[in-house]
Amino acid sequence: GAGVSQSPRYKVAKRGQDVALRCDPISGHVSLFWYQQALGQGPEFLTYFQNEAQLDKSGLPSDRFFAERPEGSVSTLKIQRTQQEDSAVYLCASTSRGGAYEQYFGPGTRLTVT
Amino acid sequence: AQSVTQPDIHITVSEGASLELRCNYSYGATPYLFWYVQSPGQGLQLLLKYFSGDTLVQGIKGFEAEFKRSQSSFNLRKPSVHWSDAAEYFCAVGRTNFGNEKLTFGTGTRLTIIP
Repeated sequence: GAGVSQSPRYKVAKRGQDVALRCDPISGHVSLFWYQQALGQGPEFLTYFQNEAQLDKSGLPSDRFFAERPEGSVSTLKIQRTQQEDSAVYLCASTSRGGAYEQYFGPGTRLTVT
Repeated sequence: AQSVTQPDIHITVSEGASLELRCNYSYGATPYLFWYVQSPGQGLQLLLKYFSGDTLVQGIKGFEAEFKRSQSSFNLRKPSVHWSDAAEYFCAVGRTNFGNEKLTFGTGTRLTIIP
């Protein structure tokens, strides 16, 4: 079956531009997570959805970051007025209800802000 | 707050030799622990997980890990590495209350395999 997919795989943005990153979770997966992975670092939690409800956004680094999952399936992470420090790989993961915490990760979107 | 320490940034091992990657965690209760592997340009793949019970867990690709509560450790081992094991390895801890299973990752250990 299909895994978690993310698009685009690579994105180059000029400083100040807005970007939108898409995540398609595994069909039927209730929970969806976004992580940010800076170069040479481990992934860091950004935000969590259970169905369409955003239950935790404590990891979003600033109010320029916004995530949504309006129908409880596809999710979009939006970054407004991108800055160089936003350059990172953005990973999406999903898990099923009672899925024993097994998070399935997508390949990530590598964002480079120039 | 939970945290994970992977003290080895980079490890080099000869093909066929044994491997142990270290992981120490900090968590207020019994943690859920994971090892993930990441190949260049790829997402994270789960190698194994520990929730409860037997402290020695088996995973995919011949990996195993041992949970030691007294040492707050969850080290990853493999008896004989293959060149294809070269990758970045991440240890992670998850919260044990259902409803937000966000993971906290270590900074990773890069594994290089030499012939």
